[in-house]
Amino acid sequence: QKEVEQNSGPLSVPEGAIASLNCTYSDRVSQSFFWYRQYSGKSPELIMSIYSNGDKEDGRFTAQLNKASQYVSLLIRDSQPSDSATYLCAVNIRRDDKIIFGKGTRLHILP
Amino acid sequence: ETGVTQSPTHLIKTRGQQVTLRCSSQSGHNTVSWYQQALGQGPQFIFQYYREEENGRGNFPPRFSGLQFPNYSSELNVNALELDDSALYLCASSLGGPGETQYFGPGTRLLVL
Repeated sequence: QKEVEQNSGPLSVPEGAIASLNCTYSDRVSQSFFWYRQYSGKSPELIMSIYSNGDKEDGRFTAQLNKASQYVSLLIRDSQPSDSATYLCAVNIRRDDKIIFGKGTRLHILP
Repeated sequence: ETGVTQSPTHLIKTRGQQVTLRCSSQSGHNTVSWYQQALGQGPQFIFQYYREEENGRGNFPPRFSGLQFPNYSSELNVNALELDDSALYLCASSLGGPGETQYFGPGTRLLVL
């Protein structure tokens, strides 16, 4: 089982709708979880981090964490064409404190 | 802007050569990680340095090595370049210790011919 798994997509969502991105992880004791956005040809930029079970909201973005089920998700409300990018899920693997990334999900917002 | 810089931005090398990539972090960022990102893939963890000591390594051969310096700069060295080493190399630094929120530099795109 891979340490961090994401559906590679592409995920197509109409403009104005909610985009839902999912990620599962294998390390049961992971404590820190991150979502990054990466535009083509650019480096990843941090959207948000989440550490506790439940929801964390920042503007149009909501991260959701469920440690019992070992998944973390990102919701993007009122999707805009500028949200079209690859979204990377990253998890702190506690046994050696390294941050591991999933392969990313390509999101395409349809105008 | 993350305050993390990398040089050079692009680099072309031939198979068998050696390359050194550089990264400069913000003051106080004690942890730096290096990642390799092939086209269409997520960043793959190469290694991590914390307070100038290697503090974790991914599944990369010993010809990938690094250093971290007291002035919050670091470098990634790759010996005996192979065609498959062609990728975007990213460094990421964090203010806290290993596993804390990381901020990425713009990356160095390496092409091995």
